[in-house]
Amino acid sequence: NAGVIQTPRHKVTGKGQEATLWCEPISGHSAVFWYRQTIVQGLEFLTYFRNQAPIDDSGMPKERFSAQMPNQSHSTLKIQSTQPQDSAVYLCASSLDAHSDYTFGSGTRLLVI
Amino acid sequence: GDSVTQTEGLVTLTEGLPVMLNCTYQTIYSNPFLFWYVQHLNESPRLLLKSFTDNKRTEHQGFHATLHKSSSSFHLQKSSAQLSDSALYYCALKGNTNAYKVIFGKGTHLHVLP
Repeated sequence: NAGVIQTPRHKVTGKGQEATLWCEPISGHSAVFWYRQTIVQGLEFLTYFRNQAPIDDSGMPKERFSAQMPNQSHSTLKIQSTQPQDSAVYLCASSLDAHSDYTFGSGTRLLVI
Repeated sequence: GDSVTQTEGLVTLTEGLPVMLNCTYQTIYSNPFLFWYVQHLNESPRLLLKSFTDNKRTEHQGFHATLHKSSSSFHLQKSSAQLSDSALYYCALKGNTNAYKVIFGKGTHLHVLP
């Protein structure tokens, strides 16, 4: 069990460029979650999928952020026209079901310059 | 919506002293699940302990917490801090046992000095 795998570990983009972050959940886990971590806001919920279907995207900034889960083995978080305030660690987590704990990935540290 | 409040952003104390990190929550649900996650430097958050039973002490790795629904609190405690306890601690909430989504507080940095 390799755990939740996130790639890349670090990404630097210029302001206005696009960033795509990848997450491979633990095999067999039905739910995948995306969180953004900053010193000021802590762990902010962005969105989650259950059995690949988008369930709740209430934390996603609507205009530039999007997430997909095209198959059960990976999910992507895309940020268009990145801004310096998007700089953060983006964490992906998966869980087996509603009664199971989260397993977090190592995160992608995004820096927008 | 559901929310979690951690009042201290940073707690600094000397090794051997007791630890108490505050956590209160708000939810419309009567049977919430409360969690404490710990994140050490350059690591991802991992579960420390959890509870959904009112007034029952939960313990793990020397830490303990008791869910008090009457005061909507779930404070984390340890009798004697160790240097290795230095980390970021998140209190978190699921509104009910069938919910998937977890709401986290802003976190408390615990810095233990020698």
